[in-house]
Amino acid sequence: KAGVTQTPRYLIKTRGQQVTLSCSPISGHRSVSWYQQTPGQGLQFLFEYFSETQRNKGNFPGRFSGRQFSNSRSEMNVSTLELGDSALYLCASSSRGFGQGLGEQYFGPGTRLTVT
Amino acid sequence: DQQVKQNSPSLSVQEGRISILNCDYTNSMFDYFLWYKKYPAEGPTFLISISSIKDKNEDGRFTVFLNKSAKHLSLHIVPSQPGDSAVYFCAATGRSRGSARQLTFGSGTQLTVLP
Repeated sequence: KAGVTQTPRYLIKTRGQQVTLSCSPISGHRSVSWYQQTPGQGLQFLFEYFSETQRNKGNFPGRFSGRQFSNSRSEMNVSTLELGDSALYLCASSSRGFGQGLGEQYFGPGTRLTVT
Repeated sequence: DQQVKQNSPSLSVQEGRISILNCDYTNSMFDYFLWYKKYPAEGPTFLISISSIKDKNEDGRFTVFLNKSAKHLSLHIVPSQPGDSAVYFCAATGRSRGSARQLTFGSGTQLTVLP
């Protein structure tokens, strides 16, 4: 079974631009979560999608948004980029359905975003 | 406010000895705890977990201990091997009314096992 894939792996953008990151979950997984990892902050939860619906959201500004498609692939978008958005963005997929708890999450390798 | 804290950013241990990684949490609603390991350029991989109804869970060389009264958990690796060198993240989750569960991560501890 193929793992979680994320594209692109590396990205350089300038302040004020917007960016879209993509995540393809493990086949059969319907839950996709996004995390931001910065030095010293660990992984911070952005949001989770299940069956095309956002069912949980972390404490991030509205510039961060996401969506999930019918094939469970997910995208996250960051608008009006700031220097502080430079981070590793990780996506994780899970097989657990809504209300069935968290389940084990499988992470992709991440997208390294640098904002200059 | 960090609900999951890993106060040691780094730890060095000699090969064959025990590695002990610590984690503290503040949210009393957390009822499930996990450890993830992360190598450079890879995503975190699940290592071991423990439910709040237990105080110990063991899987091979890895054992997680949970002290609910102290809101503290630890990961023991015995014996430590050079391949264990990685960043270890502690994570927790709990029931939240109106929301699906989510994972709250600590900031990670870089473990280096010296040959």
